[in-house]
Amino acid sequence: AQTIHQWPVAEIKAVGSPLSLGCTIKGKSSPNLYWYWQATGGTLQQLFYSITVGQVESVVQLNLSASRPKDDQFILSTEKLLLSHSGFYLCAWSHDTEVFFGKGTRLTVV
Amino acid sequence: QQQVRQSPQSLTVWEGETAILNCSYEDSTFNYFPWYQQFPGEGPALLISIRSVSDKKEDGRFTIFFNKREKKLSLHITDSQPGDSATYFCAARDAGGNNKLTFGQGTVLSVIP
Repeated sequence: AQTIHQWPVAEIKAVGSPLSLGCTIKGKSSPNLYWYWQATGGTLQQLFYSITVGQVESVVQLNLSASRPKDDQFILSTEKLLLSHSGFYLCAWSHDTEVFFGKGTRLTVV
Repeated sequence: QQQVRQSPQSLTVWEGETAILNCSYEDSTFNYFPWYQQFPGEGPALLISIRSVSDKKEDGRFTIFFNKREKKLSLHITDSQPGDSATYFCAARDAGGNNKLTFGQGTVLSVIP
């Protein structure tokens, strides 16, 4: 069975500080990987997607970047956090049509 | 421009009733429509989905009705249970290559015992 693990579960960070969020998929080779962002009480917005190692496409510009260093790993990062970065970050994977989400990371920027 | 719209924003039903959640879309290239269930503090879970070639999809107490001509679909939850209380998101995907899902704003469902 496929499992998706996101870390950390939650973060409280200061404005201007760096950020790195991670996601690991086990049990599925060469998955498509995605980062989504969800404001509190809001909808989900796709940020990045990757179909293979080293290849990442940006969907929305939010002063964030993503990388896929390994087939099963997806990293979201920024060098300088903004207040507007607060929210719920969700990693997701798909192999065909269906998209499955991780448990998310709650980010609070203060 | 909001391409996927959901109504109502919130819905309260009694236990045992049927909850009806509505969704409409604008882009005629959308061909796949999943519904996700999200509990507070958790990631969304895929509940049920339908492709545009079908007009109905059933899975237990959950049924999607799809009207391609009107660009509308609805999720029916029969015999609603308190455990069904959650936010439900309708999403849509087009035939493009990145498997991008466009989500609606969600419907918050409350089921009263």
